Amino acid sequence: AQTVTQSQPEMSVQEAETVTLSCTYDTSENNYYLFWYKQPPSRQMILVIRQEAYKQQNATENRFSVNFQKAAKSFSLKISDSQLGDTAMYFCATPYSGAGSYQLTFGKGTKLSVIP
Amino acid sequence: NAGVTQTPKFQVLKTGQSMTLQCAQDMNHNSMYWYRQDPGMGLRLIYYSASEGTTDKGEVPNGYNVSRLNKREFSLRLESAAPSQTSVYFCASTRHPGETQYFGPGTRLLVL
Repeated sequence: AQTVTQSQPEMSVQEAETVTLSCTYDTSENNYYLFWYKQPPSRQMILVIRQEAYKQQNATENRFSVNFQKAAKSFSLKISDSQLGDTAMYFCATPYSGAGSYQLTFGKGTKLSVIP
Repeated sequence: NAGVTQTPKFQVLKTGQSMTLQCAQDMNHNSMYWYRQDPGMGLRLIYYSASEGTTDKGEVPNGYNVSRLNKREFSLRLESAAPSQTSVYFCASTRHPGETQYFGPGTRLLVL
C-alpha cells in the first residue's frame, strides 16, 4: 500500500506572492512519477506538474515548480506570482504498484485561496 | 479531441434504484479508472482497467460493478444505490499505468 499526506488542509496567499504546498508519501517503488493536480470550483481535475522520480532535476512549468526530495519522500509545490485563478484545491498523487498494475493514490488536498 | 467524457453530469436516484455511469476516451489510452470524491477524502479508486479485457478492484469497490466495453469505454454500475454512494464520480484514463492520468468532468450523484 502507499500513503500520501498533505499536512495543510487550507492555505491562503496574497496575489503576486509565493506559496508552497507540502506533500509527503511512502512508497517502496524505485521508478515512478509524482503529480500535482489542481481542482478549481468547476471540479475539473487538471494536471499542474509532473516529476519523474529518477530525475534529480526538479520539474518546472511556468510559475509552478516542485521541490522533490527523494530520500525524504517529500514533494512540495511552489507557486510563484500567485494569481486569482490559482484559487483551487490542490492534490498530490503518486502511483503505487498493486496486483501487477499501477494506481494513483491521492492526498486529501490543500484548499488554496488567493487573496486580492 | 474531446479527451475523457462522462455522462450524465448530474443524477438523482432513490435508494435501491440502479444506474450506469458512462465514460469514454478518444486518446487511445490503454488504462481507465473510476474514482469517487467525497468531502475531505480526496479521490478514492473504485475500480480500474489496466488494459482492454481486464478489470480490478480498487480501494472502495463494494456496491459497484464495471465493464470495459472496448478500448474507449469503461462504465460503472450501481445495482442498488444507497445514500452512502452520494458522491462525485470521476473517470480517468492513461496511456500506460503509472503515467499521467487525464480526467473527465465528473458526475455528481445524489442518492435519496
